[in-house]
Amino acid sequence: ETGVTQTPRHLVMGMTNKKSLKCEQHLGHNAMYWYKQSAKKPLELMFVYNFKEQTENNSVPSRFSPECPNSSHLFLHLHTLQPEDSALYLCASSQDEGNDEKLFFGSGTQLSVL
Amino acid sequence: GQQVMQIPQYQHVQEGEDFTTYCNSSTTLSNIQWYKQRPGGHPVFLIQLVKSGEVKKQKRLTFQFGEAKKNSSLHITATQTTDVGTYFCAGPLAYQLIWGAGTKLIIKP
Repeated sequence: ETGVTQTPRHLVMGMTNKKSLKCEQHLGHNAMYWYKQSAKKPLELMFVYNFKEQTENNSVPSRFSPECPNSSHLFLHLHTLQPEDSALYLCASSQDEGNDEKLFFGSGTQLSVL
Repeated sequence: GQQVMQIPQYQHVQEGEDFTTYCNSSTTLSNIQWYKQRPGGHPVFLIQLVKSGEVKKQKRLTFQFGEAKKNSSLHITATQTTDVGTYFCAGPLAYQLIWGAGTKLIIKP
């Protein structure tokens, strides 16, 4: 148990579906992140939120829409995804936003787009 | 662009043999972090190195940060089955944490 909880653990969706990924952290951290992990590729940072304000959007397609209602919760809304979006989506948190901050990851959502 | 290169991609070892993964950056890093991801799991923080030439040990794991702060290594002595997983380095570049592609440690049966 890392203190970062992600749901669902697995998700299969068609290209026309709309779904959401949820992340909750119980660590009292101020920064939250969405990462994409594809096979044989480095982790890709998608979004960063600090004190629920988005501070980074790493040129992510608009079919991925993040939402951060408070410092403890982070969502990733998905719509009209492509098969190449199939990957492990990891949520992470850190005490504050900064390049020397230790990241705490959730267990991830394994997404398959058919 | 700025990158963090990690080699090798895979390393197969017999249990009891040593394992090493190397991380190289195209630019000087202020610090470097190492994470471990077990099969089917998520990355877990292992350590952060900050000082030039720094060496830190965690039991059988030895982490080094190069003098120029552009490279780092993780060495595991006498691997055990519990060491299986993928080891990632990550360094801050352009206000982001840039990750290596990871080295997968596989123990031969």
